[in-house]
Amino acid sequence: GQQLNQSPQSMFIQEGEDVSMNCTSSSIFNTWLWYKQDPGEGPVLLIALYKAGELTSNGRLTAQFGITRKDSFLNISASIPSDVGIYFCAGSGGYQKVTFGTGTKLQVIP
Amino acid sequence: DAGITQSPRHKVTETGTPVTLRCHQTENHRYMYWYRQDPGHGLRLIHYSYGVKDTDKGEVSDGYSVSRSKTEDFLLTLESATSSQTSVYFCAITDREVLANYGYTFGSGTRLTVV
Repeated sequence: GQQLNQSPQSMFIQEGEDVSMNCTSSSIFNTWLWYKQDPGEGPVLLIALYKAGELTSNGRLTAQFGITRKDSFLNISASIPSDVGIYFCAGSGGYQKVTFGTGTKLQVIP
Repeated sequence: DAGITQSPRHKVTETGTPVTLRCHQTENHRYMYWYRQDPGHGLRLIHYSYGVKDTDKGEVSDGYSVSRSKTEDFLLTLESATSSQTSVYFCAITDREVLANYGYTFGSGTRLTVV
């Protein structure tokens, strides 16, 4: 089946730093989604991308839908302690078919 | 999200025993899903439902069954729990037919340990 490779697996950053993470696929997707999971909770949708090349922002978060439709990137600017969590990418090729990445665990050092 | 509740939140059970996890929603959403989350694997779909009594298998459905007799409830049953089913289980809902385009709402999860 489809696989999403998410990197890095984990990262420690200093508060105030910018963060970048990405997701790559062996298959083309029509939609890319980014979720954040706080400890002990379920994932929450951050950003949805629908078109190749699309760049979308949500506050300090910016995500891009890769031109090849096989990758996506998430950037967080000026990180703060509450950014801690696991970030998941998810891709969809069509109706009822969603593949999740393995997650990037983010730790922010105050 | 207050519109979706999973129970129990934590459970420890013995190998070979049956276990049922419940997902309850107050959003009247048509589509409901069960995922499991394991380190290194992300979220993997177990089963999903597109309406009352309408269910289908996901990518890791072996050893699991589901039932949906009411719009608001989606039950996941492990007929005979095994240690490989130790995981965190998430329920998700959406009212969108092309679900992925708009994302899911997830429950808070059930941590299941099979000893």
